[in-house]
Amino acid sequence: SAVISQKPSRDICQRGTSLTIQCQVDSQVTMMFWYRQQPGQSLTLIATANQGSEATYESGFVIDKFPISRPNLTFSTLTVSNMSPEDSSIYLCSVESQGSSYNEQFFGPGTRLTVL
Amino acid sequence: GENVEQHPSTLSVQEGDSAVIKCTYSDSASNYFPWYKQELGKRPQLIIDIRSNVGEKKDQRIAVTLNKTAKHFSLHITETQPEDSAVYFCAASNAGGTSYGKLTFGQGTILTVHP
Repeated sequence: SAVISQKPSRDICQRGTSLTIQCQVDSQVTMMFWYRQQPGQSLTLIATANQGSEATYESGFVIDKFPISRPNLTFSTLTVSNMSPEDSSIYLCSVESQGSSYNEQFFGPGTRLTVL
Repeated sequence: GENVEQHPSTLSVQEGDSAVIKCTYSDSASNYFPWYKQELGKRPQLIIDIRSNVGEKKDQRIAVTLNKTAKHFSLHITETQPEDSAVYFCAASNAGGTSYGKLTFGQGTILTVHP
């Protein structure tokens, strides 16, 4: 499976500010995804990061709040904008295994965000 | 859209016992069902998955069964060990459809294996 890294691993931010999270993969992948995992909860898909086009957002998530970039097939960023304490979560990127027709997904280590 | 329900939310077993976690899904078009194990403070790890064209899959002490008619699938862990203690998530997706790789996750099961 691909080696996935995220930066930063954790951060503490003040409300009203923004944080950009980076996801780097060691091989080219078509599909990259961003998930949120609130404390003690399951994983919720925020958006699918498409290379060369706008990200596809899930219900309840909007581009103004979570802008996403996907400049190439190995890298994506997620920005959490105008943060509030409710945005405190773990943010995870995932990639779909290349060559698989059945969407095997592997996750990055996550970014633990605390908003004060 | 897809909805995945997972039960139980917590499961406590003695070492050596078996553990079973069950999930139901709502979208009959879903055809791929992975299970992830997440240890405290770590990323979810894919441990086993099943496609809709098979009814059961085994990998050493873990197995997954799928009942497409009833729209439910289960994770079975035999001869449990303390290192199996973690949160387990089931998920479902419609692979190859317009949802691409979109995984819908269950709520998670906290498994505790007592020595």
